[in-house]
Amino acid sequence: DTGVSQNPRHKITKRGQNVTFRCDPISEHNRLYWYRQTLGQGPEFLTYFQNEAQLEKSRLLSDRFSAERPKGSFSTLEIQRTEQGDSAMYLCASSLARELFFGEGSRLTVL
Amino acid sequence: AQSVTQLGSHVSVSEGALVLLRCNYSSSVPPYLFWYVQYPNQGLQLLLKYTTGATLVKGINGFEAEFKKSETSFHLTKPSAHMSDAAEYFCAVGGEYGNKLVFGAGTILRVKS
Repeated sequence: DTGVSQNPRHKITKRGQNVTFRCDPISEHNRLYWYRQTLGQGPEFLTYFQNEAQLEKSRLLSDRFSAERPKGSFSTLEIQRTEQGDSAMYLCASSLARELFFGEGSRLTVL
Repeated sequence: AQSVTQLGSHVSVSEGALVLLRCNYSSSVPPYLFWYVQYPNQGLQLLLKYTTGATLVKGINGFEAEFKKSETSFHLTKPSAHMSDAAEYFCAVGGEYGNKLVFGAGTILRVKS
C-alpha cells in the first residue's frame, strides 16, 4: 500500500499525558498537512510542511502542540499535557500538486 | 481568506433518486474546489476536483459537480442514488499559497431503500 499511513489509529490517554502521532506520506509528495476533525465538523487546518520546513501554523495549534518533519519524509504531531478538548480525529494528508491525499486518521480520546 | 458553506447538514434521498449536495465558497483568489467523501472512522477520499478548464467535472462513482463562478457555487450531483452512497460529504476550497484546503462542515447523506 503506497497511501498515507498514520499511527496509531486509536489512542486513549488520561488528561495531562503526552501523546505523539506519526504520519508517513506518499513517498514523492513534498507537502504534508495536519488537520483536526471533531464530531460533526469538517477538518480544520493545523499546520503544513513543504519538505522539512514548517511554513504555516493555525491559531488552533497552541503551544502544547508541536509538529516536526525532520528529514522531509515522515512527520510527528505531539500534544503535551493533553486536555479533554483535544479529543478528536487527527488527519494527515500529503500532496504534490493541488490534490490532498488523506490517511485514515488517528483518533484521540482524552479521559 | 477562504471559506465554504454547505447547505444542509443532513440530506435524505430514496434509492434511485437524484442526489444534490450544495456548496458555496468564498475566495479572494481563483479557487480550486474539491469534494471528498468520508465513511465512518475512515479518512477522506477524493470524489472530484475543479482546478482550471472545464467547469463541469466528473468524478468517481457517478458523481459530478459544476463550478459556477457567478454564483460562487460547486454543487455535487448524482442522477441516481445507491445505498453505498450513504456517507458524509465535504466540500473544500484551496488555491491560496501553500494550497491548504478549507473545508465545509459536511453533509451527511442518507439513502433510503
